[in-house]
Amino acid sequence: QVQVVESGGGVDQPGRSLRLSCAASGFSFRSYGMHWVRQAPGKGLEWVAVIWHDGSNKYYADSVKGRFTISRDNSKNTLYLQMNSLRGDDTAVYHCARDRGVLRSLEWFPTYMDVWGKGTTVTVSS
Amino acid sequence: DIQMTQSPSSLSASVGDRVTITCQASQDIRNYLNWYQQKPGTAPKLLIYDASNLETGVPSRFSGSGSGTDFTFTISSLQPEDIATYYCQQYDNLPLTFGGGTKVETK
Repeated sequence: QVQVVESGGGVDQPGRSLRLSCAASGFSFRSYGMHWVRQAPGKGLEWVAVIWHDGSNKYYADSVKGRFTISRDNSKNTLYLQMNSLRGDDTAVYHCARDRGVLRSLEWFPTYMDVWGKGTTVTVSS
Repeated sequence: DIQMTQSPSSLSASVGDRVTITCQASQDIRNYLNWYQQKPGTAPKLLIYDASNLETGVPSRFSGSGSGTDFTFTISSLQPEDIATYYCQQYDNLPLTFGGGTKVETK
């Protein structure tokens, strides 16, 4: 069964750090790009970060750039999101998602997210 | 960044009605547009990719069209299980961006 399962969420204070994990199973994890997408309470979807299938490229939303780091361990079929300098507006459900990808000029580029996890909740509050 | 403007933000329709949602991009995104469905408390689900391609296993009452800056998502005959929030998402350029969502409810 193709699935991704997030973990690591919790309650933390502003300025602290948290690391989220996303365990993938049922597919060749090393062949797919992966995303983090978040959803604040009562709000819409916000893309956070993407990492290429081999970890060669990473991109971030401006709202998290310099504070969050996306990484992956293909030997463990696991995606990570290191979240530093947490702020109140980081409070959200964080989903990881698989990207099917496409080749543009012989280079992989993210496209659509076809497998999503249920998410892990991060609450930043003093 | 490419801005995605979805409308309406919410709508109420009867079972069997045709439902249409629009998504407008702030610049030409070719056909690099996807549609997702999210039911309360669950993960989003991919319905349509590349503006008009139906994801495997998705009922044929869902469809999408458009290119450039203007896109349309249609449910040909609304079913009770279609009650959800729908999002468009562009992938013409990074950062990937989503529309604000359209909440579909039944009358």
